[in-house]
Amino acid sequence: VQLVQSGAEVKKPGASAKVSCKASGYTFTSYGFTWVRQAPGQGLEWMGWMSAYNGNTKYAPKFQGRVTMTRDTSTSTAHMELRSLKSDDTAIYYCARDSPSGWPGYWGQGTLVTVSS
Amino acid sequence: DIQMTQSPSSLSASIGDRVTITCRASQSISVYLNWYQQRPGKAPNLLIYAASSLQSEVPSRFSGGGSGTHFTLTISSLQPEDFATYYCQQTDSIPYTFGQGTRVDIK
Repeated sequence: VQLVQSGAEVKKPGASAKVSCKASGYTFTSYGFTWVRQAPGQGLEWMGWMSAYNGNTKYAPKFQGRVTMTRDTSTSTAHMELRSLKSDDTAIYYCARDSPSGWPGYWGQGTLVTVSS
Repeated sequence: DIQMTQSPSSLSASIGDRVTITCRASQSISVYLNWYQQRPGKAPNLLIYAASSLQSEVPSRFSGGGSGTHFTLTISSLQPEDFATYYCQQTDSIPYTFGQGTRVDIK
């Protein structure tokens, strides 16, 4: 199992960022994806979960209306788009695939999104 | 949101030491609790799920316990690769909140 995330991004306040997570080594639609972020020097924050099978999502209320998690089964890629970016959205964004236990057992390398004017 | 509080925030220990980290939830979460390890500059790694179930390929020196509002992560004999930050996470209700982390350093 391998998850490879898209490269670092620099965005201006108010813009959107879209992070990709390309999966390989298994049947893409068999497991869901979680997105977690980590601000510089800070702890972990759960953003939401998406079923790769049918695209169903669960979002943290804090991000509801500002985040969209999608998937492209033809390319085995999960996406997370965060809109109306603010400076405190500066963070490393991680995708993680569910393991057979049902919880995130495989992680991408992380994508740094920097929001700065 | 359910608040998760870890203690201590940091600790220093020696190779071979037994280490216990505590996590408390602001309300009962049954056994809906995960533990993660994060080494500097790396992604988190799932250690324990459902409070006490060892994730596949995780060494048996890691163990978890507890239920309700009080949980523990124990490392029975600390190894060099275990120096890292550890996070608990409740999975009882959305948002699945994390504790603030416990950093384990070399004494």
